[in-house]
Amino acid sequence: EPEVTQTPSHQVTQMGQEVILRCVPISNHLYFYWYRQILGQKVEFLVSFYNNEISEKSEIFDDQFSVERPDGSNFTLKIRSTKLEDSAMYFCASSDPRGINQPQHFGDGTRLSIL
Amino acid sequence: GQQLNQSPQSMFIQEGEDVSMNCTSSSIFNTWLWYKQDPGEGPVLLIALYKAGELTSNGRLTAQFGITRKDSFLNISASIPSDVGIYFCAGPPDTGFQGAQKLVFGQGTRLTINP
Repeated sequence: EPEVTQTPSHQVTQMGQEVILRCVPISNHLYFYWYRQILGQKVEFLVSFYNNEISEKSEIFDDQFSVERPDGSNFTLKIRSTKLEDSAMYFCASSDPRGINQPQHFGDGTRLSIL
Repeated sequence: GQQLNQSPQSMFIQEGEDVSMNCTSSSIFNTWLWYKQDPGEGPVLLIALYKAGELTSNGRLTAQFGITRKDSFLNISASIPSDVGIYFCAGPPDTGFQGAQKLVFGQGTRLTINP
């Protein structure tokens, strides 16, 4: 069964450094998403993306965050200058645009640890 | 914004017991999704519900979309050790937005099974 893949599985970075989290969505999906989950808390929406544009973003997704689809298969989340509170699991998800409310499929996440 | 409240927050049961958990909202959802998350992994879709009153099964799992569209429940029959994990309800807020809709997640129900 096709799946969303994310790399790296764990990223450790010094505060203030830039990080790029990578995702390969399911191949025929065109809606892409990033979520984050702080340890022990619920999953929170960050941003959705379609047709090379941001569709919607949350208040968490401030100017330090950006997303990009650099080629036909990858979808990336960049955090420009990381803060301690950015430490969390970051999940990429994708869904099929055909039909209404097609469910989102999630990757296994990248654990981001900011020191 | 729209929030989902799950109960109970945690459950400790014996193997073989049936499990019931629910999810409520103060506002209407047009789709209800149930995901399971194992440690260190991303949420995995269990059941998707699209119509008020709908009752859907996936093996030993059964979920229902409440008539009021403000609640849903998930039942697991004859629990086994691999059912251990965190169960999340989720859904796209009813904003009229079409396209790459974000998901709102509940805070999860943590299921622990004693063999």
